[in-house]
Amino acid sequence: DAKTTQPTSMDCAEGRAANLPCNHSTISGNEYVYWYRQIHSQGPQYIIHGLKNNETNEMASLIITEDRKSSTLILPHATLRDTAVYYCIALGSSNTGKLIFGQGTTLQVKP
Amino acid sequence: DAGVIQSPRHEVTEMGQEVTLRCKPISGHDYLFWYRQTMMRGLELLIYFNNNVPIDDSGMPEDRFSAKMPNASFSTLKIQPSEPRDSAVYFCASSFGGPLHFGNGTRLTVT
Repeated sequence: DAKTTQPTSMDCAEGRAANLPCNHSTISGNEYVYWYRQIHSQGPQYIIHGLKNNETNEMASLIITEDRKSSTLILPHATLRDTAVYYCIALGSSNTGKLIFGQGTTLQVKP
Repeated sequence: DAGVIQSPRHEVTEMGQEVTLRCKPISGHDYLFWYRQTMMRGLELLIYFNNNVPIDDSGMPEDRFSAKMPNASFSTLKIQPSEPRDSAVYFCASSFGGPLHFGNGTRLTVT
């Protein structure tokens, strides 16, 4: 699976949109981009995933560039409860869901 | 849906003792994963099962670690004998081939 690169940490003001970038320049055509987050002392939580098209669900939006070399996770109105480590993972469609986690981005939402 | 259930939540044991961690996956899920998380190494995949059969155990640190899945609703991760360097949070996750659902982990401390 392709390697992903994320900033180590980011801050966001409460109520504002949080935009978390991820680079995956070596991603192959059958690899999805998955996002998970881990709130302190809890297990990782699935957020969203996509292949080519932008995706939106009740938690977030995922914007994937046309060349698929990078993506952005958007939390439209960040709250203090969104403070967490966010992981971007590239995963092949033939993969059985075997996730390999990197270091992720620590998002701090501030009042 | 009760989610993935792990027990115990916390385990403190002395070096040399046997430790058994337990996991009940979400009903209907046919994949089960064991992960370990430490500050130094982050989240590491130890082993995963499909339909109760171990598929990839390449992440298991050494022979002191063993995992079993006797039926679709139960799995164990055993460490014998335990060592202080095994101190970590151990997560279990399950899926039906899609996104993983994680439990809240077992925090293991070996003194």
